[in-house]
Amino acid sequence: NAGVTQTPKFRILKIGQSMTLQCTQDMNHNYMYWYRQDPGMGLKLIYYSVGAGITDKGEVPNGYNVSRSTTEDFPLRLELAAPSQTSVYFCASRPLEGNEQFFGPGTRLTVL
Amino acid sequence: AQSVAQPEDQVNVAEGNPLTVKCTYSVSGNPYLFWYVQYPNRGLQFLLKYITGDNLVKGSYGFEAEFNKSQTSFHLKKPSALVSDSALYFCAVRDVNDMRFGAGTRLTVKP
Repeated sequence: NAGVTQTPKFRILKIGQSMTLQCTQDMNHNYMYWYRQDPGMGLKLIYYSVGAGITDKGEVPNGYNVSRSTTEDFPLRLELAAPSQTSVYFCASRPLEGNEQFFGPGTRLTVL
Repeated sequence: AQSVAQPEDQVNVAEGNPLTVKCTYSVSGNPYLFWYVQYPNRGLQFLLKYITGDNLVKGSYGFEAEFNKSQTSFHLKKPSALVSDSALYFCAVRDVNDMRFGAGTRLTVKP
C-alpha cells in the first residue's frame, strides 16, 4: 500500500492564480481530511469528507473548495490564490471504525 | 468543542535523560487522545492513543503517555531520549468527525 499520496510536493503561485492539490489514498478509508499547517499554529482543518459525495467545512474553509467523487480521491481547489494561503497542506484519511488518521507527506505552497 | 493545549513550544533534553512533552485537554464526555510526531519535511506519524482502559499507554519508538483524568493531562514520556527523537510533537483529541491538534512542541535532544 502506498498509503496517502499528495501531489505536487512544492508549488509557487502568483496572486490570483488557481490550482488543485491532489490527494489519493489506497486504504479504502471512508474519512478524508485537508489541513493546513502554519508555523507555531499546529494544524487547522480546512475541509473533510465522510465518504464519496459528502463533504463539510472545517475551521478555515474560506478560499478553498473540495470534491469527493470517489473513495480514493479528495482534491483541494484554490480558486484565487492569496499570500495568506502560503502554507504546508496535509491530506489525511482514517477508516470508518478507526480513530487515528494517516497523513500524506504534504504540499508546500507559496503564493507571491 | 474538544481542544488540547501544549504549554511548551520547545523542550530540550540531553541524550539518555528522560523526556516529557506536556499536553492538557478540554473535552465534553470521554476523551480520545493521540500523540503524533513530525520529522522535517514529512507528514505526521501516529505514535499512540488513549481511548479507554489503562492510564499508561505504550506506543511506537519506546514512547508512552499517561492519561490523568483529575489533571486533564496526557503527557508524552520516554525513559531515555535519543538524538533521533528530535522532532515536532503534536497532541490531538478526536472531535465528532475530525481531530483537533495542539500547536506542537519542538523536542531537541542534544548528544
